[in-house]
Amino acid sequence: GQQVMQIPQYQHVQEGEDFTTYCNSSTTLSNIQWYKQRPGGHPVFLIQLVKSGEVKKQKRLTFQFGEAKKNSSLHITATQTTDVGTYFCAGPKPGYSTLTFGKGTMLLVSP
Amino acid sequence: NAGVTQTPKFRVLKTGQSMTLLCAQDMNHEYMYWYRQDPGMGLRLIHYSVGEGTTAKGEVPDGYNVSRLKKQNFLLGLESAAPSQTSVYFCASSVRGQGNQPQHFGDGTRLSIL
Repeated sequence: GQQVMQIPQYQHVQEGEDFTTYCNSSTTLSNIQWYKQRPGGHPVFLIQLVKSGEVKKQKRLTFQFGEAKKNSSLHITATQTTDVGTYFCAGPKPGYSTLTFGKGTMLLVSP
Repeated sequence: NAGVTQTPKFRVLKTGQSMTLLCAQDMNHEYMYWYRQDPGMGLRLIHYSVGEGTTAKGEVPDGYNVSRLKKQNFLLGLESAAPSQTSVYFCASSVRGQGNQPQHFGDGTRLSIL
């Protein structure tokens, strides 16, 4: 079945450092979504990428969708303590009306 | 602007007890989902519904049942709770499915089975 993998599982950075998480799917995706979950909170939708090679920015966050539409990345420039949380990517499960979530990358930012 | 509301927020059960988790959404969304989240396992889909009166199995459906009698409500039932069902349960909804619409999540229910 479809697998969506994220690396790294965990990263600890100093405030001001950059951070990148990678998402890889075993199948070609029609789109990819990114979510953020703060500690003790619930996942919150951040963005959706649809086009091959697409790049979108949200302030210090840059999202990319690979040319083959099987991988994606989230890059945070100059992390802040407010960036702490777990970042999940998710892609449509082929033939179903559902998403397959990666296991997430937990980001810890020290001041 | 409630969005997706889950009740209860916390619950402790004894093995073998039953309970129902309620999810209500006020966004007129067609699709609703139940996930469980365990450390290191991400979000795993239990059951989902593509409309009122419909339900379908997800990745980890065993030990759970669901019902969608009204469009705005999606119930998750545990008939005979087991310690392996200790988890955080999230409900989500979306306008449509096919994995091309954002999902909106509730705050979660933290369930412990002793």
